[in-house]
Amino acid sequence: SAVISQKPSRDICQRGTSLTIQCQVDSQVTMMFWYRQQPGQSLTLIATANQGSEATYESGFVIDKFPISRPNLTFSTLTVSNMSPEDSSIYLCSVKDGDQPQHFGDGTRLSIL
Amino acid sequence: QKEVEQNSGPLSVPEGAIASLNCTYSDRGSQSFFWYRQYSGKSPELIMFIYSNGDKEDGRFTAQLNKASQYVSLLIRDSQPSDSATYLCAVNMRGGFQKLVFGTGTRLLVSP
Repeated sequence: SAVISQKPSRDICQRGTSLTIQCQVDSQVTMMFWYRQQPGQSLTLIATANQGSEATYESGFVIDKFPISRPNLTFSTLTVSNMSPEDSSIYLCSVKDGDQPQHFGDGTRLSIL
Repeated sequence: QKEVEQNSGPLSVPEGAIASLNCTYSDRGSQSFFWYRQYSGKSPELIMFIYSNGDKEDGRFTAQLNKASQYVSLLIRDSQPSDSATYLCAVNMRGGFQKLVFGTGTRLLVSP
């Protein structure tokens, strides 16, 4: 299966700032997704990153807060904008290629002060 | 009703026993079902997936699917302390365009 590299692995940020998380895959994949895992909770899908077009956001998530790019079939970014302590979470990139199941990168552990 | 439901646990079993983890889902048209294992501080790791009714075995793991009852389970035979983790059930629902809906996870503790 594809190897996923997610950067940064962790960060501590000040409220009101923005952070861009990168997800790089070592081969072309059909689909890329971004999830959030809040402390002690399960995974919630933020959006599906679409190559060359706007991401498809889930209910409760908006582009202004979580802008996403996917310029090609191997790379995507998620920006967490105007951060507040409630945004402290693990952010996970996942990929799916053809009929293969989704699998996840190592995640970005984000803390907001 | 939650789309995917799991007992949060913890489920405690002794080493060598069979651990049985259960998951129910709300959408009868769901197509595919996945079990991920997540160690504390780590990202989820796929361990089993199942598409058809019945059992699917892979080593010490068996996934069981009953679409009529909207029920999927994971059996871990000969449980080891290294199996202690949170197990996440995920479902690809009808019309879901490949996205997954996750349950809250069941924490498994295997004692030596």
